[in-house]
Amino acid sequence: SQQGEEDPQALSIQEGENATMNCSYKTSINNLQWYRQNSGRGLVHLILIRSNEREKHSGRLRVTLDTSKKSSSLLITASRAADTASYFCATAYSGGYQKVTFGTGTKLQVIP
Amino acid sequence: DVKVTQSSRYLVKRTGEKVFLECVQDMDHENMFWYRQDPGLGLRLIYFSYDVKMKEKGDIPEGYSVSREKKERFSLILESASTNQTSMYLCASTIGGRGDTEAFFGQGTRLTVV
Repeated sequence: SQQGEEDPQALSIQEGENATMNCSYKTSINNLQWYRQNSGRGLVHLILIRSNEREKHSGRLRVTLDTSKKSSSLLITASRAADTASYFCATAYSGGYQKVTFGTGTKLQVIP
Repeated sequence: DVKVTQSSRYLVKRTGEKVFLECVQDMDHENMFWYRQDPGLGLRLIYFSYDVKMKEKGDIPEGYSVSREKKERFSLILESASTNQTSMYLCASTIGGRGDTEAFFGQGTRLTVV
């Protein structure tokens, strides 16, 4: 079964606005990661947050993690047209081998 | 520069054919993964391998098998292709350990079964 679910499924904003995407997951994790995918190509890693961290920043990206609610959010500030892509959260399961499972994704459109 | 290479970008096969999708990584990574991606369903894990000759089923292994004879190569096999296996297939690798590192992806193979 799918480990993560992103919300919303699709998001359309104007350039310069902030975009927030949420991810919920089901099991205990070692870490949670966010990836970007452009036009059906391979995914590119954006940021990793460990289970003992609550917030992490990287450039215009801010990720939060709430392990009690099994949820994470990705905030992209001052969005650009080039941020148009699908965004996925991925979790590394803590109970077994290094299994990495992905969510359903959020499709972000940034309108110039 | 790290690299994960999938053998084909586009592939068209007939129903019932045996199909091989190949993935090679040049980073000496321990773990390799095969996912399929379908609209609205995100990426679903088919199989993964944490060492040579070792494999674990993912969430949707039915109709697929895998082979990892060498560390750098992970093959996905569709024993008898069916139209419901038409999809984008993505290969990824991670360095190993407890999954604390990023996954590197290939460019994807878009498979159409007719």
